[in-house]
Amino acid sequence: GENVEQHPSTLSVQEGDSAVIKCTYSDSASNYFPWYKQELGKRPQLIIDIRSNVGEKKDQRIAVTLNKTAKHFSLHITETQPEDSAVYFCAAPDMEYGNKLVFGAGTILRVKS
Amino acid sequence: DAGVIQSPRHEVTEMGQEVTLRCKPISGHNSLFWYRQTMMRGLELLIYFNNNVPIDDSGMPEDRFSAKMPNASFSTLKIQPSEPRDSAVYFCASNGVSGDNEQFFGPGTRLTVL
Repeated sequence: GENVEQHPSTLSVQEGDSAVIKCTYSDSASNYFPWYKQELGKRPQLIIDIRSNVGEKKDQRIAVTLNKTAKHFSLHITETQPEDSAVYFCAAPDMEYGNKLVFGAGTILRVKS
Repeated sequence: DAGVIQSPRHEVTEMGQEVTLRCKPISGHNSLFWYRQTMMRGLELLIYFNNNVPIDDSGMPEDRFSAKMPNASFSTLKIQPSEPRDSAVYFCASNGVSGDNEQFFGPGTRLTVL
């Protein structure tokens, strides 16, 4: 089955700086890579995703890059703001089970103002 | 759509008691997932249903845990008997078909077993 590793486990940045979170996956057949944000006491919510037919996707201050050869993908947040403070999870599909996602361990992002 | 609905939102019970958590997925979604979240173990998938049929229950910790999905709009996760180490936030999520893998999470049930 799929294995997803996420780094770093915690990240502290100054407001306005950029933040980068990286994930690696094991199954070269995986074709969908979402990122979820979970604010304190709330549910995880999808913020951006990328499919294997593209290398980069942007949505305002958030971007995701995918390197299929190296089997890793990254979340980039520019001009960080205090409201970006949350736990971020990457995920990849378990190709044996289709809809099942395998989540990384999460990154606690703290934006200091 | 109201999104994924879970009940109760909070549950406090004593060790040995039976606990039942409930979930209503988004209408039209055919896959339903039960997750457990703790600080130590992160977000763990417990069981996954597709078209009301359990597909992967490898994450169910032990026989004390059971899950059912009697119809497309309702699922339960039962713990009997409950233990303090079961204390966690339990999320239900659902998604549809057509190649869209986004999972929509419910608000979660915070379970405390004393």
